[in-house]
Amino acid sequence: AQSVTQLDSHVSVSEGTPVLLRCNYSSSYSPSLFWYVQHPNKGLQLLLKYTSAATLVKGINGFEAEFKKSETSFHLTKPSAHMSDAAEYFCVVLKAAGNKLTFGGGTRVLVKP
Amino acid sequence: DAGITQSPRHKVTETGTPVTLRCHQTENHRYMYWYRQDPGHGLRLIHYSYGVKDTDKGEVSDGYSVSRSKTEDFLLTLESATSSQTSVYFCAVRQVLLGDTEAFFGQGTRLTVV
Repeated sequence: AQSVTQLDSHVSVSEGTPVLLRCNYSSSYSPSLFWYVQHPNKGLQLLLKYTSAATLVKGINGFEAEFKKSETSFHLTKPSAHMSDAAEYFCVVLKAAGNKLTFGGGTRVLVKP
Repeated sequence: DAGITQSPRHKVTETGTPVTLRCHQTENHRYMYWYRQDPGHGLRLIHYSYGVKDTDKGEVSDGYSVSRSKTEDFLLTLESATSSQTSVYFCAVRQVLLGDTEAFFGQGTRLTVV
C-alpha cells in the first residue's frame, strides 16, 4: 500500500510566484514527515521535517510545510520561487513505531524566468 | 553528509556478474537504508538495517541481498546483475536523537549493467 503520494509529478511556476507541492500520506498514527530536494545530478538535501512538534514547519531557503492530520497532508510551499528552486522534491514518511523511510514519487519543479 | 561514503561511485558491469556496493558511515547510526532511483519511480527502498546483523526487505528486494556485520558498513549485493538493475543507488543513515530523527544520504552510485 502506498504510504505517501505526491499529487503532481511536474509543477511549472514563474520566478517570483508562489510554489505549492502537494503530499498526502497514509498512516494510522502521526508519522514523521520530511521534504527533501534533489538538484540535477546531486544528492538529497533535507528541506524540513515534522516530528510531532509544531504543525507549521519552516525549513531552509524560505520553504515551509504544514502538517494537517485531518487531511493527512503535508504540503510544501514557498511564497516566491527563485530560479535556483528548479529541482526535484520528495515527500518522505516514517511511520510511527516503524523503521521504513518511504518516498513519494517526486515532483519536478520548473521555474520560468 | 553525516560521514557517509558510497563506493564505488560509478560502475559498469556485465549481465550475470555479481556486484557489491558499499555504504560506510562514521557516526555509528543504528539505521541504514539502500534505495534505487529510477525515472518516474522516485526512490524505492530495497533493504534496510536496524542494527548489526538485523536487516529487512523493502519494496523492491528481489535480486538483492544485504549484509551488516559492522555498524559502520552496509553492503548491497546483486548476486547476478540484470539490465533491469541499471539504476542509481543511494544509501541513507537515520539519526535518532532525543526522539527526533533525520535521514542523511550518500552521493549515490551509478550502476550500469550491460
